[in-house]
Amino acid sequence: GAVVSQHPSWVICKSGTSVKIECRSLDFQATTMFWYRQFPKQSLMLMATSNEGSKATYEQGVEKDKFLINHASLTLSTLTVTSAHPEDSSFYICSASTRVRTDTQYFGPGTRLTVL
Amino acid sequence: QKEVEQNSGPLSVPEGAIASLNCTYSDRVSQSFFWYRQYSGKSPELIMSIYSNGDKEDGRFTAQLNKASQYVSLLIRDSQPSDSATYLCAVIILTGGGNKLTFGTGTQLKVEL
Repeated sequence: GAVVSQHPSWVICKSGTSVKIECRSLDFQATTMFWYRQFPKQSLMLMATSNEGSKATYEQGVEKDKFLINHASLTLSTLTVTSAHPEDSSFYICSASTRVRTDTQYFGPGTRLTVL
Repeated sequence: QKEVEQNSGPLSVPEGAIASLNCTYSDRVSQSFFWYRQYSGKSPELIMSIYSNGDKEDGRFTAQLNKASQYVSLLIRDSQPSDSATYLCAVIILTGGGNKLTFGTGTQLKVEL
């Protein structure tokens, strides 16, 4: 149980384009979803937290107009990187928690974004 | 001071030995602690959670928590080459924006044949 999927698993795009990443909880309802970014040799950094049906809460230093997050249902959240630039190239990972176990996060497999 | 600190390693142990991974945290009121395993190029996988002082065992893994010392550790018995990975310590820390799962930078473990 507690399986989280992400799509796509990797994406290569040109600078200036937008990329959408989907995060789905497959066998549970995710009341809260989280988006992380991980650069090589570094730990996970939380970008934003989203609750179903409400606006995402962004961490300090994360541009909400650049990283658009939509949590439209209890099983789906999307992250759109708008006008991507090479410095946005990173490993993006989502996670989800349930109403019952709010402190435990289950991670998706990640999406590797490369911006040329 | 970092909120969650780990030695980056690499920690090298021979196959069959006990690997000991350590983590300290800064927030005295933290109550939830987690160990994740991350293979290169993959996302973190939850190994164990611990909430109370003392030891918690799950198979070859034992988590140890000492809230007075703000210290949490992970022991891996009978280490296998497949255990070679980066181990991330994570702590729920209360921030102005609510509870946040905060990760250490991870300890790289190498289990040698």
